[in-house]
Parts: sequence; structure tokens; C-alpha cells
Amino acid sequence: EVQLVQSGAEVKKPGESLKISCKGSGYSFTSYWIGWVRQMPGKGLEWMGIIYPGDSDTRYSPSFQGQVTISADKSISTAYLQWSSLKASDTAMYYCARCSEPIPPYYFDYWGQGTLVTVSS
Amino acid sequence: SYELTQPPSVSVSPGQTARITCSGDALPKQYAYWYQQKPGQAPVLVIYKDSERPSGIPERFSGSSSGTTVTLTISGVQAEDEADYYCQSADSSGTLFGGGTKLTVL
Repeated sequence: EVQLVQSGAEVKKPGESLKISCKGSGYSFTSYWIGWVRQMPGKGLEWMGIIYPGDSDTRYSPSFQGQVTISADKSISTAYLQWSSLKASDTAMYYCARCSEPIPPYYFDYWGQGTLVTVSS
Repeated sequence: SYELTQPPSVSVSPGQTARITCSGDALPKQYAYWYQQKPGQAPVLVIYKDSERPSGIPERFSGSSSGTTVTLTISGVQAEDEADYYCQSADSSGTLFGGGTKLTVL
């Protein structure tokens, strides 16, 4: 059974750093792109970027380029999303998801349960 | 910039047919995908490549495409279908989601 299990909820202050994780199991982790999707409170889905754990090839949405870093450690089947300096506007639910095919639009067939990030002073 | 446009809300009575549209200039050349998201849950893929249904998705969910508009159709709507629905398609930077449509089952 394909599973993506994300790390738990986080509460941080503005300016702090953060790295959240997404561990894949039940399939060949290095053979599928993994993507990250943001959902701000009461809002829609936003595609942030994707990574191919096999070689760490990474692509970002222009809206998120330079704002976050996506990485992966294939030895432990885990992808990461990190911030160096959080802002209140980063408060959102973040989902990781597996890309079914390696070409745009990189649609997602399996999703993690989400990680809620709250940034507040 | 390129956008996928969905109606904010659609309402339907149980047993009726719900149609949710998604419009975008590139849709004649790009496949569309649909996700269902219930409150407090992660999205679930319900339609891929315009009209294909993943395993485990009920047959009452179907998709179609005509010109710049794709449509998610839910036949014989049930109370459990009440959710937000999002379309997705490719754009120049990779992928894009529509703004979402809240389906209310009256």
C-alpha cells in the first residue's frame, strides 16, 4: 500500500527556520516525483514544486522559487520542505503528494495527511 | 498569467446530477485532472486525463472536455459527495490548480 506520512504540526515564530518531512512507503521512492502543495486557511490548492528523489532534480513554481527549499534523502525515502525565515503569511497546511507521471502537469495520485504550520509571534 | 476558472459554488439535491466546470485557454491542448477535498482531509484524485477514473472512485464520477472547458459530472449525487473540487492542468511553469468549487448537497 502506497503511503506518504508527514511530520506533525508546527508552531513557530516569525524569522525562525523550519523543515517538515514526508516519508514514502509501499512503492519505489526513487522512481516517482514528489510534490508539495500549500493550502492557506480557507483557500485553495497551490503547487509549490516537485523533486525527483532518484537524482534530486527539483522544479519550483515561480511563486515559491527562492521562498522555500525542497530536498530529499533517498536513503530514508523522505522528502523535505524547508524555510530559512518564516513569515506569518507562511501559515498554512502543507501537503506532499506523489506525482503519477514524470511530465507536466505532474498530477498527484497519492497524498500525505498534511502538516499544519502556524507562524505567530 | 494563465488561470483555470471554476465557479465558486454549485448546489444540487440528492440524486440529481452535478456539473462543475473548469475553463482555461490551454485546455484544448492539455489534459485536466480533478480532485475532491472533504473538510479536514487531504485531496483525492477523482478524474485524470480529462475522463479517466482511478480505481476505487465510484462510477458516478465522470469527466469530459469541450474546447476551453472541462467538466466534472457527478451523477446521482449523494450526501457524501459534498466537498470542494479542484481542477488541475499544465501551464508554462509546470502545473496550476483552479480556484475550487464548493459542492453543496441540499
